[in-house]
Formats: sequence, structure tokens, C-alpha cells
Amino acid sequence: EAQVTQNPRYLITVTGKKLTVTCSQNMNHEYMSWYRQDPGLGLRQIYYSMNVEVTDKGDVPEGYKVSRKEKRNFPLILESPSPNQTSLYFCASSPSVHYGYTFGSGTRLTVV
Amino acid sequence: AQTVTQSQPEMSVQEAETVTLSCTYDTSESDYYLFWYKQPPSRQMILVIRQEAYKQQNATENRFSVNFQKAAKSFSLKISDSQLGDAAMYFCAHNNNNDMRFGAGTRLTVKP
Repeated sequence: EAQVTQNPRYLITVTGKKLTVTCSQNMNHEYMSWYRQDPGLGLRQIYYSMNVEVTDKGDVPEGYKVSRKEKRNFPLILESPSPNQTSLYFCASSPSVHYGYTFGSGTRLTVV
Repeated sequence: AQTVTQSQPEMSVQEAETVTLSCTYDTSESDYYLFWYKQPPSRQMILVIRQEAYKQQNATENRFSVNFQKAAKSFSLKISDSQLGDAAMYFCAHNNNNDMRFGAGTRLTVKP
């Protein structure tokens, strides 16, 4: 089944404890992206990648890191999480800007 | 940078009736793509419909259709014969060169 797989679905962590949210797609898509969703703000892009080893900042990159060492994987790293990073996070992939994104199931992150 | 505005935070419709969700966007580009996504309580993001800016014909997918007014930068979604399963958050999105921007969303309630 063609899909974007994110893990974990839920995560509660403490301020300052490094964490990684994994994302993998099995559709050989070139484009991958991370979004965060907050009430009243919709989805805001954190980082995106157009190919292996090519990443770029979105609208809200502060406090996040990404890497694209393989085409299928695009992990999101929070080196020192803070409570304002409590949010719902989505990974997404696409073969082209023409087709829109296929989204993962989301990760609900709470930082206390 | 492009922005996407959904002016209706909440809408409601009677089952079997028709409802229209509004979306406007701001862009300086002439070639771009527009999307409507549905997010049910499961929080999965589901692509409902897409429109290519260079096509004048409005996109249609079963009970879902759009009214695309390029000059007015308007992209509304019409849902005909509303069903209980249509209840969800709906997000409008604009994509140009992998810079996909989302509106804040409209919560649609369907009354039986």
C-alpha cells in the first residue's frame, strides 16, 4: 500500500530532551515536507526537501532540524524541545507540485 | 509570499443540502495549483480536489466541485447532497514550486 508512515503517533516529552520523529514513504516521491498544525493557524511548513541531500526552510524552521540521506526517509529532529513546540506534526510527500501532498497520520507532540 | 485566507472558521449544513466553503489567496505567480483537503476527526489529511491555475474549467469530483475565479484569486468548494461523513475540517491550499501554503481551515458540521 502506498503510504507515508510517521512514528510515533503520540509523544509526551520534557523540555530539553532531544527527540526524533521518523517519516518514511514508499512511493519514490521526490518531494517531502514537514508541517505543524495549530488551532486557528492551519498547517505551517517547517522544512521541505526536493531531493536527497537537498533541504530548505519553510515558514517556521526555528528549533527544528531535518535530514534527507535517503529518498524514502525524512526525519524531524527537535534538539531541545520547548513547550511552544507542542503541536500536531505532519510529514508529507509528493512526486511533483502538480499533485499535492500525501500525508502521514500525524504525530501529536506534547512538551512539558 | 503567497497567503491563503479562509474567512469562515465554522459552517454548518443540513444533511442532503449544499454548502460552499470560501477561500481566497494571494500570489504573484501565474502558474500554480490549488487544493482542498479534508481532515476528519481521525486527523488524517485527505485530498478532496485539485485545480490547475492554467485550466479555466472548474474541477469536479463526484459531489465536490470548485468555483475557481483566477482574476479574483478565489477558490471556493461546493459540497452537494451533504452527508454526515462530510463533517470535518476543510483546508484550502495553494502550491507553487513546492511552497504549499494552507489556510486556517473551516470546520464543517452536518446536521441530520
